Amino acid sequence: AQSVTQLGSHVSVSEGALVLLRCNYSSSVPPYLFWYVQYPNQGLQLLLKYTSAATLVKGINGFEAEFKKSETSFHLTKPSAHMSDAAEYFCAVSAQDSSYKLIFGSGTRLLVRP
Amino acid sequence: DVKVTQSSRYLVKRTGEKVFLECVQDMDHENMFWYRQDPGLGLRLIYFSYDVKMKEKGDIPEGYSVSREKKERFSLILESASTNQTSMYLCASSSPGRYNEQFFGPGTRLTVL
Repeated sequence: AQSVTQLGSHVSVSEGALVLLRCNYSSSVPPYLFWYVQYPNQGLQLLLKYTSAATLVKGINGFEAEFKKSETSFHLTKPSAHMSDAAEYFCAVSAQDSSYKLIFGSGTRLLVRP
Repeated sequence: DVKVTQSSRYLVKRTGEKVFLECVQDMDHENMFWYRQDPGLGLRLIYFSYDVKMKEKGDIPEGYSVSREKKERFSLILESASTNQTSMYLCASSSPGRYNEQFFGPGTRLTVL
């Protein structure tokens, strides 16, 4: 069965430091992969997606993610954290069946220290 | 811009009440989804629909039902609300051929007393 694993339910960084949020997936076919962000008391907003074009994907707010097939990973990075990046981040993979579902990871809450 | 709206941001109901959560999307999407979100558990799929009057159970359908009479509207129904249904409920929509990218509403925080 497909799955998504996000390592670390909480990640804390200092403002200006590198942000690295980890995501590993399982899929027997080339996947479509997504990162979503959720600010407090809001819905999920798409940050970026991988659709088998370029392996390095750039998203909004300075985030990017690299698809590494050999490592089955799709880690999210940002060179310099800003206070406004504090939120919960979800990695997701598109289901391989015909259901149009997304399989979500359990989420990582990013804390940014001043 | 795709817009997904949910009828309430916050809702307080009593145990045993029938609760309706409404979701409307304005982009003619075929697929619609209902999730609940709880701390530490991420998003769990309750029901989804890929066409009018069509519905499929997700991972946690017990205690819920859904209705999709029109393409743009997908309703989640709690027949008899219980305290363990206190949660954040998120609606999403998507269109086939767009990599299954889902667009989310703002969420409804439901408290059952």
